[in-house]
Amino acid sequence: GAGVSQSPSNKVTEKGKDVELRCDPISGHTALYWYRQSLGQGLEFLIYFQGNSAPDKSGLPSDRFSAERTGGSVSTLTIQRTQQEDSAVYLCASSLVQGPNEKLFFGSGTQLSVL
Amino acid sequence: DAKTTQPPSMDCAEGRAANLPCNHSTISGNEYVYWYRQIHSQGPQYIIHGLKNNETNEMASLIITEDRKSSTLILPHATLRDTAVYYCIVRAYSGTYKYIFGTGTRLKVLA
Repeated sequence: GAGVSQSPSNKVTEKGKDVELRCDPISGHTALYWYRQSLGQGLEFLIYFQGNSAPDKSGLPSDRFSAERTGGSVSTLTIQRTQQEDSAVYLCASSLVQGPNEKLFFGSGTQLSVL
Repeated sequence: DAKTTQPPSMDCAEGRAANLPCNHSTISGNEYVYWYRQIHSQGPQYIIHGLKNNETNEMASLIITEDRKSSTLILPHATLRDTAVYYCIVRAYSGTYKYIFGTGTRLKVLA
C-alpha cells in the first residue's frame, strides 16, 4: 500500500515568502508528526496530531510556524515570512497504534531552501 | 534534549555483526528504548524496540542491560545496504508522545 507522501519534494523560496508543505499520511493512521532536520543534524520535533485531540505544538520554533490537519488526514505545515535558517528537510510521519508498540512511518521529506 | 548518548560513527566489515551501543542512564521505569535508522535522503525507518527484555526481529536484535541504563542494537550480518544513521530513542508511552531524536551513530559498512 501507499506510504506517507509529502509534497513538494523540493521547494526553493525567497526570504520573506510564505510556504506550505503537505503531508498525506497512511490511510487510517490517527497520529501524525512533523519533524525538521537541518543539514547533518538529528530530527527536531515540531508538532504532533492525534485524532481529534488538541495538537502538541510544543516544538514549533516560532509563531511563523503553524500546522493544521483537516479531517484527521492530510496535514499542512505553513511557514510565514521564511528566513534562511528555516532551510532544512521537513519530515512527516504517521502511526496507527498508540502506546508502546507504536511505529512511526516517515515520508521522504520536503527539502526547503530559503534564498 | 536527547536522553541518549551514542558514538557519532562506526565502521563494520560486510558480513560481520554490527554492534551499536546506546547509553540511557537516566531512563525511567516506564520508558521504552526504540531504534530507528535513516538511509541517505530517506525518512527514518523503524527497526526494533523493547522495555527490559531482549528483543529480536527479522532486522535486528536489541540487548538491554539489566539496570536498563544502556542497550546495544545488533545487526547480525551487516550488508552495504545497512549503511545509515542509527538513532536510539527513549520514550514513555503515556503523557507526551513525541520522540526525541539525537544525532545518532553513522554506521558505515565496508566491503
